[in-house]
Amino acid sequence: SQQGEEDPQALSIQEGENATMNCSYKTSINNLQWYRQNSGRGLVHLILIRSNEREKHSGRLRVTLDTSKKSSSLLITASRAADTASYFCATDGSGNTGKLIFGQGTTLQVKP
Amino acid sequence: GAVVSQHPSRVICKSGTSVKIECRSLDFQATTMFWYRQFPKQSLMLMATSNEGSKATYEQGVEKDKFLINHASLTLSTLTVTSAHPEDSSFYICSARDRRAGAMETQYFGPGTRLLVL
Repeated sequence: SQQGEEDPQALSIQEGENATMNCSYKTSINNLQWYRQNSGRGLVHLILIRSNEREKHSGRLRVTLDTSKKSSSLLITASRAADTASYFCATDGSGNTGKLIFGQGTTLQVKP
Repeated sequence: GAVVSQHPSRVICKSGTSVKIECRSLDFQATTMFWYRQFPKQSLMLMATSNEGSKATYEQGVEKDKFLINHASLTLSTLTVTSAHPEDSSFYICSARDRRAGAMETQYFGPGTRLLVL
């Protein structure tokens, strides 16, 4: 079952601006991951944050995790037209089953 | 880096036929692979977990006789959509976990297979 909710569902910004996407989940987790999907393509792993971490950076990406609120955010700084894609959060629940529960996704459009 | 391939990338078939989709981990061994389904403009829905050498475990609501999964080796899992119908048309994506210690948290996704049933 899907447990993640993401907002906004769609986001349109100008190149150079920052984009922030939020994700909420319902159950306890081992980690939370963010993925990117270009239209009609597979998923690309962006970043993983463990349940005992609060913030993580990777290049222009910054992810935060608040386990008390069961929420995470993905910030893309200095966006580029090539960042246009759908972004999904996915949680890996307790038990290390590897099963990922995906959020509904945010569709990001970066206008040149 | 870890690469997962899927074959075919796109398939069109007639209603009532069966379609096999392959998922391969190209440069690592995967004891566990996962099959997801994605409808247009929607998120990924986990269908089943494929375990090497044992039966697949299916998520609630997924018909195991409809979606046959075989994980014959550490690098290959297959999904067969039996007696396909137009409502089975979807984007099917597999993922694989690297079995090496310390690498199991990250899943690598295949490029997906688009199935269209006429």
